[in-house]
Order: sequence, then C-alpha cells, then structure tokens
Amino acid sequence: QVQLVQSGAEVKKPGASVKVSCTASGYTFTSNYIHWVRQAPGQGLEWMGIINPSGGSRTYAQKFQGRVTMTRDTSTSTVYMELSTLTSEDTAVYYCARDYGGNYDAFDIWGQGTMVTVSS
Amino acid sequence: QSVLTQPPSVSAAPGQKVTISCSGSSSNIGKNYVLWYQQLPGTAPKLLIYGNNKRPSGIPDRFSGSKSGTSATLAITGLQTGDEADYYCGAWDSSLTGVVSGVVFGGGTKLTVL
Repeated sequence: QVQLVQSGAEVKKPGASVKVSCTASGYTFTSNYIHWVRQAPGQGLEWMGIINPSGGSRTYAQKFQGRVTMTRDTSTSTVYMELSTLTSEDTAVYYCARDYGGNYDAFDIWGQGTMVTVSS
Repeated sequence: QSVLTQPPSVSAAPGQKVTISCSGSSSNIGKNYVLWYQQLPGTAPKLLIYGNNKRPSGIPDRFSGSKSGTSATLAITGLQTGDEADYYCGAWDSSLTGVVSGVVFGGGTKLTVL
C-alpha cells in the first residue's frame, strides 16, 4: 500500500541539528511532491516547506529559511528534512506528507510523525 | 496566531449536524483551494476535503465542504462518536506581490460529540 515511513524519535540539545527521514513506498516516488509539516505539543499544524523528489527543487516557509534543508535520494525513495540551530521551540512532531497533485495543495498520505525533543 | 481563523471548539449530539467555519483573506482562501483535515488523538492528520468540496476516496458523504469569498465551512452530518477529533482547515497563501508564502492552516477546532 501507499505509505510514508519516518525515522524514529530524536532528543537533541539546544544548538544542535536534527535530520529526519521519510521513505516512500507503494507509488512512483518521483511523481508527487513531498511536504514537511510540524506540530508542537498541544498546538496546530505548521507548514515548513516542499520538495520535488524528481528534480530536487524546494521551497521553504519564510520562517525556516536559512535553518532548514530538504533533500532527497531517489535510489532509496527517501526525502530528508534537516533543521539546524535547534531551540526548545522546535520541540514538535514532524510529519512528511505527499502532495495529492492537481494543484490542489492537499496532503493525501502522511507519515506517522517523528517526535523531536530539544532539551538541555 | 494562525493565519486562518477557526472556532476553538464545537459540540453536538450523535446523529446531529455540526459546522466548522474557517476565515481567511484574499491571499489564501480568496484565491486558492481550501483543504480540511481530521486529526484523531495521537495520530497523523487525514485528508477529508480538497479542492474546496471534493472528498478523497473512502471519505463518507457525511463530510462536505463549501467556500464563499474568503471563508469556508466544513459540515458533518449524522455525527458519530468516532468523529471526535481536531479539524484543521488549510490553504495555499499567495502574497499580493505573487510570491508564494506557502500553506497556511487554521488553529484547529476540537469537535466533541456529546
């Protein structure tokens, strides 16, 4: 079945970086863009950016410009999201989500989420 | 502070109908498609509505979406206890200068089925 499987939970110290992976299966990896969305504890959804697995182009939310890097590896159908200079405010569940296509800007398949905890 | 505005909570009895509103602006809802997601406790969000009023395969027709101007509404009829969840609206936001800002969401609405 179509699914996105993310890497496991992470605990990081302030100032460190974290890299979360998202491996796609059940569909053609290069056919759909992948978004990253995060959710702080008890809070709403926050869009971080989007990557095109085919050409590698990406767009980042202004808030994360300079601190986030999204990459992909077509040989393993995996996209990565790396966030640097972490603070306690980056403690959140990070989700990857597949773009539905058709310019609807909808996310039809979500990963299970990766909890990132930033604590000294 | 979320870009899109939703009521924090709504409630209704089983079998009844409930609506959740989502208010935005000309740079997001006013010019782009509205999406709705359902998030059950401890799980990833699930796409309920896309393209303002379209349902993905497997989503029952008890869920419906509409849009008018810079506002949108999610309606759920025949409420079930399993519908208790957080509901989020979203839309792409395009600044007036044409520079894409990205996807914006509402703060979420907690639905309680009494």
